[in-house]
Amino acid sequence: EDQVTQSPEALRLQEGESSSLNCSYTVSGLRGLFWYRQDPGKGPEFLFTLYSAGEEKEKERLKATLTKKESFLHITAPKPEDSATYLCAVLYDKVIFGPGTSLSVIP
Amino acid sequence: SAVISQKPSRDICQRGTSLTIQCQVDSQVTMMFWYRQQPGQSLTLIATANQGSEATYESGFVIDKFPISRPNLTFSTLTVSNMSPEDSSIYLCSVEVRAPGELFFGEGSRLTVL
Repeated sequence: EDQVTQSPEALRLQEGESSSLNCSYTVSGLRGLFWYRQDPGKGPEFLFTLYSAGEEKEKERLKATLTKKESFLHITAPKPEDSATYLCAVLYDKVIFGPGTSLSVIP
Repeated sequence: SAVISQKPSRDICQRGTSLTIQCQVDSQVTMMFWYRQQPGQSLTLIATANQGSEATYESGFVIDKFPISRPNLTFSTLTVSNMSPEDSSIYLCSVEVRAPGELFFGEGSRLTVL
């Protein structure tokens, strides 16, 4: 069965403390991997698409990378406004979402 | 990108009743989807809303329980029929605008069934 897992389930960081979130997948025939941000009470917001191993994308304090079996979302010097749930999703014939990592950045 | 409006944003319903959720997009889109997000969980695809034809349902979801309409390229409805407390969830409309998998979501409709 195709699966997407994310770790950690929750992460608490001090402001400025860099870290990484992991997304692992067992999907054969991957057509794309996506990162989304979801704030409480809102729909997910698209962040990045990665298509092939070695690819990297950056946006402000976020950088997403992709290997053959996993992706990382690196957060550099996070701020409290980066607090949200980060969802990873993979595409084969449909989009499958992972369970998410809840990130809290403490001032 | 696309701006997606969902109505209602939240509702409290009685067991056995039905509720219709509306999704309006500010531009014509081919691909439109309905997702469910149960409390504390991630998103599960209910169905793809096809314009002019029957929706394509995912395993575990059936048309009798979740009838979907898609009369044109900017609008869709999802009905949750004969509701039970297990249907309490956030229901999200999403569209694919630029590339497969790059989804834009509405704010969601939070449904509580008593």
